[in-house]
Amino acid sequence: AQSVTQLDSQVPVFEEAPVELRCNYSSSVSVYLFWYVQYPNQGLQLLLKYLSGSTLVESINGFEAEFNKSQTSFHLRKPSVHISDTAEYFCAVTSPPAAGNKLTFGGGTRVLVKP
Amino acid sequence: NAGVTQTPKFQVLKTGQSMTLQCAQDMNHEYMSWYRQDPGMGLRLIHYSVGAGITDQGEVPNGYNVSRSTTEDFPLRLLSAAPSQTSVYFCASSYARDDNSPLHFGNGTRLTVT
Repeated sequence: AQSVTQLDSQVPVFEEAPVELRCNYSSSVSVYLFWYVQYPNQGLQLLLKYLSGSTLVESINGFEAEFNKSQTSFHLRKPSVHISDTAEYFCAVTSPPAAGNKLTFGGGTRVLVKP
Repeated sequence: NAGVTQTPKFQVLKTGQSMTLQCAQDMNHEYMSWYRQDPGMGLRLIHYSVGAGITDQGEVPNGYNVSRSTTEDFPLRLLSAAPSQTSVYFCASSYARDDNSPLHFGNGTRLTVT
């Protein structure tokens, strides 16, 4: 069985400050890792994913995450946040061969960006 | 392109009532699934389907039934609602065996059972 732990349930941060959201997973097999974002009253949207290759993955809006196999982590970072980044962020894991199937999610981290 | 459509958006039930949450997708995805979202617990998989006529249980299937008669539709049935089923329900879909196909989510159904 796989599991995901997001170590922070809430992260308050000031606008233009950096933010890091921590995610650790456990799995006995190869993994695919994801970060999803949920804006208020909406469904989840894919932010970025790690399937293979470079361990550093980036999103189009400035987020990046690094897959660390030895530490079983996939932390999400952004060097400078905007008010519009206020949302809940979910880390998720699944296994090959299907990246979109049977995702196991962490408990979520709520990010509140303050002006 | 509508993506994943869930209805209704909100529902209030009394304990013991039954209802069906509707989910439809227009992306020809083989894989469809239902999650429930509860505070601090993230999303937990209820049931999933890898194609028409095929369904299987997820992490928290008790109290819920599903069927998949067409590729497009994947309804979730609550036969006898309980207060513990108060939650936000999300339907999601993807291609079944494509590593580049992320999970696409609907906007959710907020269910309250009194």
